[in-house]
Amino acid sequence: AQKITQTQPGMFVQEKEAVTLDCTYDTSDPSYGLFWYKQPSSGEMIFLIYQGSYDQQNATEGRYSLNFQKARKSANLVISASQLGDSAMYFCAMREGWRGNYQLIWGAGTKLIIKP
Amino acid sequence: DGGITQSPKYLFRKEGQNVTLSCEQNLNHDAMYWYRQDPGQGLRLIYYSQIVNDFQKGDIAEGYSVSREKKESFPLTVTSAQKNPTAFYLCASSISQQGRDTEAFFGQGTRLTVV
Repeated sequence: AQKITQTQPGMFVQEKEAVTLDCTYDTSDPSYGLFWYKQPSSGEMIFLIYQGSYDQQNATEGRYSLNFQKARKSANLVISASQLGDSAMYFCAMREGWRGNYQLIWGAGTKLIIKP
Repeated sequence: DGGITQSPKYLFRKEGQNVTLSCEQNLNHDAMYWYRQDPGQGLRLIYYSQIVNDFQKGDIAEGYSVSREKKESFPLTVTSAQKNPTAFYLCASSISQQGRDTEAFFGQGTRLTVV
């Protein structure tokens, strides 16, 4: 079974609109961490936001926020006021249990294209 | 500027050859990793190292080898035993803190093609 599922292979969004990228996860461990990374066409992965399983509040970082619904096992990334530079691949990843963040489990990604 | 440098950006290998991908970081990070990325898939961990002179296999280590002789450097060798080496390879590093998640910093990747 997939541990991290990103159901949207691709999305088109109008510039300045908000966009939600879906991520659901599967773990029975009470301790886990969820990461979102952005991969522009240049190839490097850029860290965006992190949510720990014990965090009481949803994480926010500038225009990025994480809609963390623990009971539903979802950790959707919300980008407010999208910009042309947001066009990229977006990956959700999970650190499960006490394996350490070097053993992240990655989703297949969502390709986001922002239209002018 | 601090960061991770991978070289070369593009690499072509003939069947049966070993090739080495370079990864250097000047972030003073203890932990370094190698990932493989194939189209339509998430990253898969090849090897990781938490300290100098020590490294562990990830999920897909077969056909690969690494060394960690210096804190700054973590080269990956793709051997002839790797059956399907054509892929995009990403190197990353992070602070290593027990019991605390930390984000990884990535290089710009090396695209390896077998010809």
